[in-house]
Amino acid sequence: KQEVTQIPAALSVPEGENLVLNCSFTDSAIYNLQWFRQDPGKGLTSLLLIQSSQREQTSGRLNASLDKSSGRSTLYIAASQPGDSATYLCAVGDSNYQLIWGAGTKLIIKP
Amino acid sequence: EAGVTQFPSHSVIEKGQTVTLRCDPISGHDNLYWYRRVMGKEIKFLLHFVKESKQDESGMPNNRFLAERTGGTYSTLKVQPAELEDSGVYFCASSPRDRAHYGYTFGSGTRLTVV
Repeated sequence: KQEVTQIPAALSVPEGENLVLNCSFTDSAIYNLQWFRQDPGKGLTSLLLIQSSQREQTSGRLNASLDKSSGRSTLYIAASQPGDSATYLCAVGDSNYQLIWGAGTKLIIKP
Repeated sequence: EAGVTQFPSHSVIEKGQTVTLRCDPISGHDNLYWYRRVMGKEIKFLLHFVKESKQDESGMPNNRFLAERTGGTYSTLKVQPAELEDSGVYFCASSPRDRAHYGYTFGSGTRLTVV
């Protein structure tokens, strides 16, 4: 049974810092992996999608990597801004079309 | 293109009442999914439609939950009768056939509170 873990559960850093959020999964037979952000009281916004055959994806200041063999993905945020404050969620897609979710990392960027 | 639309955004009902949530997926997306997040827990899969057919409903908690997708377009999720533990945020998502490249697009969710 696939399990997804996100570390840390919460993170607070000053504005301008580069940071890394971690996601680990127990079963390497994944279909894809998707990173989302959720703002308080809002829906889920897709940030990056990495297919199982890919190693990384980039969008602006965000870079997500995938290492299936070690069961890990990282989300790198460069030059963090207060607007980046949100909960970041990692979700692993399996062959049955289900997404298995981590509990999320609550990120606070201090001005 | 319009995104995934869910309504209502919030619903407060009494225990024992019935509530119906609606989801309008992105036009042309064959796949439609329902997920739920209850307080303090991870988001969990409920079910998956391919067009109007239920592909996988292994995540539905019990027979108080009924999902339909009329004509392969919008979907409804009915909870009857609602219990306190049904409180949470219900998310709907859709994806095209090629989910490998396009992933899943989620709606803003419906926050259900059962009192």
